[in-house]
Amino acid sequence: GDSVTQMEGPVTLSEEAFLTINCTYTATGYPSLFWYVQYPGEGLQLLLKATKADDKGSNKGFEATYRKETTSFHLEKGSVQVSDSAVYFCALANSGGYQKVTFGTGTKLQVIP
Amino acid sequence: EADIYQTPRYLVIGTGKKITLECSQTMGHDKMYWYQQDPGMELHLIHYSYGVNSTEKGDLSSESTVSRIRTEHFPLTLESARPSHTSQYLCASTGSGTGGYEQYFGPGTRLTVT
Repeated sequence: GDSVTQMEGPVTLSEEAFLTINCTYTATGYPSLFWYVQYPGEGLQLLLKATKADDKGSNKGFEATYRKETTSFHLEKGSVQVSDSAVYFCALANSGGYQKVTFGTGTKLQVIP
Repeated sequence: EADIYQTPRYLVIGTGKKITLECSQTMGHDKMYWYQQDPGMELHLIHYSYGVNSTEKGDLSSESTVSRIRTEHFPLTLESARPSHTSQYLCASTGSGTGGYEQYFGPGTRLTVT
């Protein structure tokens, strides 16, 4: 079945540091890929997405590129801020069925001033 | 901004009580989901619905039940709460109009059973 593996946290960075959170996936066919973010005390919200190979999703300074050859969708940001402190989930969705989304286990990011 | 609502946001209740967690969305989405989120943050799908009068169990076995009588409403019920039910419960929805099957999440209900 489908699965998502993302790097374990917590990740602690200083403000303005470069961020990479690794995500790899296993899936049949051509899934859509997502990064969701969960701020403390809230539900998940979509951060960015890519629906086909070589697409780059971007939002709020975050980027991720759908790499089919390496089955990866790594999240990057050039300069993190304290307000980026949150939990980040990598996810995939395959077509058909009940449009199930498979989530990674989440990576907690803490940015310190 | 997603229009999906959950009430209550926080609930502390004694063992053996019956509880219903409410979830409503105003986006006309046909598919809705309930997730249980453990303290380690991992999400577990416990129920989903294709549409009105359609409900299915998810990947994680749960003693809760759900109903879908109206498109916009997807409540979750626990007939007899136990401490093992203490968790964060997240409701989500998606529709045929959303590109790439992205899900919209409510703010969650944090349930504590004493």
